[in-house]
Amino acid sequence: GAGVSQSPRYKVAKRGRDVALRCDSISGHVTLYWYRQTLGQGSEVLTYSQSDAQRDKSGRPSGRFSAERPERSVSTLKIQRTEQGDSAVYLCASSSGAPLEAFFGQGTRLTVV
Amino acid sequence: AQRVTQPEKLLSVFKGAPVELKCNYSYSGSPELFWYVQYSRQRLQLLLRHISRESIKGFTADLNKGETSFHLKKPFAQEEDSAMYYCALSSYSGSRLTFGEGTQLTVNP
Repeated sequence: GAGVSQSPRYKVAKRGRDVALRCDSISGHVTLYWYRQTLGQGSEVLTYSQSDAQRDKSGRPSGRFSAERPERSVSTLKIQRTEQGDSAVYLCASSSGAPLEAFFGQGTRLTVV
Repeated sequence: AQRVTQPEKLLSVFKGAPVELKCNYSYSGSPELFWYVQYSRQRLQLLLRHISRESIKGFTADLNKGETSFHLKKPFAQEEDSAMYYCALSSYSGSRLTFGEGTQLTVNP
């Protein structure tokens, strides 16, 4: 079956605008993660959610980042009032449980101009 | 709190040389440790996990609870090993998977 899929692959946003990034995880996976990957800073966790939790916000102190999970295998990462520092690759990953493997999407490259 | 530290951002070795990528962690409970790898233009993927005690692509990693380390080793590096390597930690319950900052390994011919 299909792996983790993210859309769009590339996104350009004007500073101050809100953006939404989509992740379709693997059916049956209960845990879903959002990470931000930047050069020199590796991958930092933004949010994670388990089971049917629709909203979870953790890891990143800024309230501008949030994730919603309208369906168990779909998550939307929302970034409010984007800043140039938000330019990065955003990775989604899902896992069927721990301590098992997390499967990653190909990422969405966000550029804030 | 969970924390993973990879002290080397860049590591360069010659083909055939041994390689060790360092990883240290801090976690109060029983950790599950992983190594993930990202080859050029590919997605991040699992390389190995300590509970499996297996060797993947010639790589091994031993969990040292006394030193809180999980270093990745390979006795003879190959050019195709060039990639970004991330050490990761999870609690046994899997509530959160935390990554280190990554080490870019370059194996020169």
